[in-house]
Amino acid sequence: QQQVKQSPQSLIVQKGGIPIINCAYENTAFDYFPWYQQFPGKGPALLIAIRPDVSEKKEGRFTISFNKSAKQFSLHIMDSQPGDSATYFCAASIGNNDMRFGAGTRLTVKP
Amino acid sequence: NAGVTQTPKFRILKIGQSMTLQCTQDMNHNYMYWYRQDPGMGLKLIYYSVGAGITDKGEVPNGYNVSRSTTEDFPLRLELAAPSQTSVYFCASKTSGGHNEQFFGPGTRLTVL
Repeated sequence: QQQVKQSPQSLIVQKGGIPIINCAYENTAFDYFPWYQQFPGKGPALLIAIRPDVSEKKEGRFTISFNKSAKQFSLHIMDSQPGDSATYFCAASIGNNDMRFGAGTRLTVKP
Repeated sequence: NAGVTQTPKFRILKIGQSMTLQCTQDMNHNYMYWYRQDPGMGLKLIYYSVGAGITDKGEVPNGYNVSRSTTEDFPLRLELAAPSQTSVYFCASKTSGGHNEQFFGPGTRLTVL
């Protein structure tokens, strides 16, 4: 049973567009919600993260929106660039040892 | 700092063979993790360790073993390789305390034929 559901599987946008990736979780005990960015042949790298007591967090062009009552959170990439083309994973964790990942979204930003 | 390093980068095994995937971190992190990544499935936790001498099972531990004799090293052992273990394996680490911010290595791509 997948505890974190991510959509869409793939996404294509034009340069300057605002791709949005959505995730939904089931376990209300999750207390940390990171997004990871992964380039081909590389390991995932932490992009931005949020805790459930905050509804929005922004770092540069990346924003997480968090809806605790709906058990959903999303990643928005403002003014997307071809260099943002990568696979993005949402995740949710309880404490230090139980991190559950979404299935990933392959983003392509066309020039 | 090199961060988290993994060897080998690629490996092909025959069914029934055994091998050890190496993971080393130079950040003095207490927590270390092993994940497998299958296409379209995200990452799943195999084993983790909260410090030298302490390990525990994750979500998908069957077919694997780990040990943690030092803070720096966390090897993953496959005893009898099976085609179902074809995957990309990632090692990660984090410091004690704070949020669950994990730093990942570059991965090992394993094929079992």
